[in-house]
Amino acid sequence: AQRVTQPEKLLSVFKGAPVELKCNYSYSGSPELFWYVQYSRQRLQLLLRHISRESIKGFTADLNKGETSFHLKKPFAQEEDSAMYYCALGGSGNTGKLIFGQGTTLQVKP
Amino acid sequence: EAGVAQSPRYKIIEKRQSVAFWCNPISGHATLYWYQQILGQGPKLLIQFQNNGVVDDSQLPKDRFSAERLKGVDSTLKIQPAKLEDSAVYLCASSLTQGLYNEQFFGPGTRLTVL
Repeated sequence: AQRVTQPEKLLSVFKGAPVELKCNYSYSGSPELFWYVQYSRQRLQLLLRHISRESIKGFTADLNKGETSFHLKKPFAQEEDSAMYYCALGGSGNTGKLIFGQGTTLQVKP
Repeated sequence: EAGVAQSPRYKIIEKRQSVAFWCNPISGHATLYWYQQILGQGPKLLIQFQNNGVVDDSQLPKDRFSAERLKGVDSTLKIQPAKLEDSAVYLCASSLTQGLYNEQFFGPGTRLTVL
């Protein structure tokens, strides 16, 4: 079964502290993984995808096939990073279907 | 460019009533998605269109939900009759075409409350 698990509903850190948002997936093939973000009163938007290997707003995510994980990391959290973060797995067949995790709320305290 | 538009933004109905949601994708986007997001969960794909054809409706409860995209542009999602468990945010998204390398752009969503 294709599944995404984000074990933490809420992650609270202080400004300047490192951040790691956890994501684990279940998929039998070669996975395509994404992180989406929703800031307060804004739309859900793509943050990054593993295939492009880019760093967006200081966030990076590395695909670990052995641990079936795609954790999102940032070395120094900023208050403007406070948002809801969703990990998503591309469904089989490359139709564009996304399977989302439950989401993690990141709260960065001043 | 204008983003994905959805209406209404909020809707409150009683169970067993009918409701319809409307979505206007970004101009030129061939692929349109409807997601259901229940409180505390991530979005779940209900149906995906490529132009006016259905690509995936495997998770659409077809006994009560229907969707159409007759001219390959706007789309409507209907629930008839609604149940309490249909209370959720309904998100519409569009992409240039299908495939995981085409970014999906989301609308603001319609929040449905079924009493």
